[in-house]
Amino acid sequence: AQSVTQPDIHITVSEGASLELRCNYSYGATPYLFWYVQSPGQGLQLLLKYFSGDTLVQGIKGFEAEFKRSQSSFNLRKPSVHWSDAAEYFCAVGEGNQGGKLIFGQGTELSVKP
Amino acid sequence: DSGVTQTPKHLITATGQRVTLRCSPRSGDLSVYWYQQSLDQGLQFLIQYYNGEERAKGNILERFSAQQFPDLHSELNLSSLELGDSALYFCASSRGGELYEQYFGPGTRLTVT
Repeated sequence: AQSVTQPDIHITVSEGASLELRCNYSYGATPYLFWYVQSPGQGLQLLLKYFSGDTLVQGIKGFEAEFKRSQSSFNLRKPSVHWSDAAEYFCAVGEGNQGGKLIFGQGTELSVKP
Repeated sequence: DSGVTQTPKHLITATGQRVTLRCSPRSGDLSVYWYQQSLDQGLQFLIQYYNGEERAKGNILERFSAQQFPDLHSELNLSSLELGDSALYFCASSRGGELYEQYFGPGTRLTVT
C-alpha cells in the first residue's frame, strides 16, 4: 500500500534562513506528488506538484521541490523563509488508476523565529 | 480563495444525530472529494465523485454516505454520530476524474458532544 512519511513533526527556522521539509513516499510505480500548505483555520493550498518530466519543480510563494526516485523522496525547499510561511505543510502522493485519491503525510508544522 | 465553498463552517451536534455537509466545486470542475482531518488520524481520503458517479472510495464508514448532484455540488451525510467523528471535513475539487491537482475548500468543523 502507498504511504507518505514526513519525518519532522515540527521545525523552527529563523526568518531569512533556508528551509527544507522532508517527504518520503512508498509507491511501486511513478508517483504523482504534491505539497500543500495549511494556515491555521484555513483549507489546504496547493504549493506545487510533480507528475513527470523535470525532477525540480517550482511552485508558488518561492517554494520548490525535487523528486529523487532513488531515495523515494520529494523534499520541499525555500531559500529564504518569511514569517508568513509559518503553517503546516503536507506532502501527498496520488494513487494511479484509482481516481484522484491522495494519501497525505502527517504534516510538518513550521514555526518562524524573528 | 480556492473557489470551493463548503457549508456550514461549524456544526455542533449530539451523539446519535445525523448531519449533512455541503460542497460546491470550482466552476468547471467535475470531481469532488471528501477528506476527514483529525488529530489522531491526520488527513484521510473518504470518497470521490466524478460527474455524478462514485469514482474512488477510501476508509469511509458505513454510517457515512455521499452523493454528487446534477449541478455537481456534493453532500456528505454522517449518521449515528459518535464522539470520534468530531473532525474537520474538507471538500476538494478537480477538473477530471484522475490525478489532477485538487483545490480544497475551507472545511466544516464538526463537533459531536
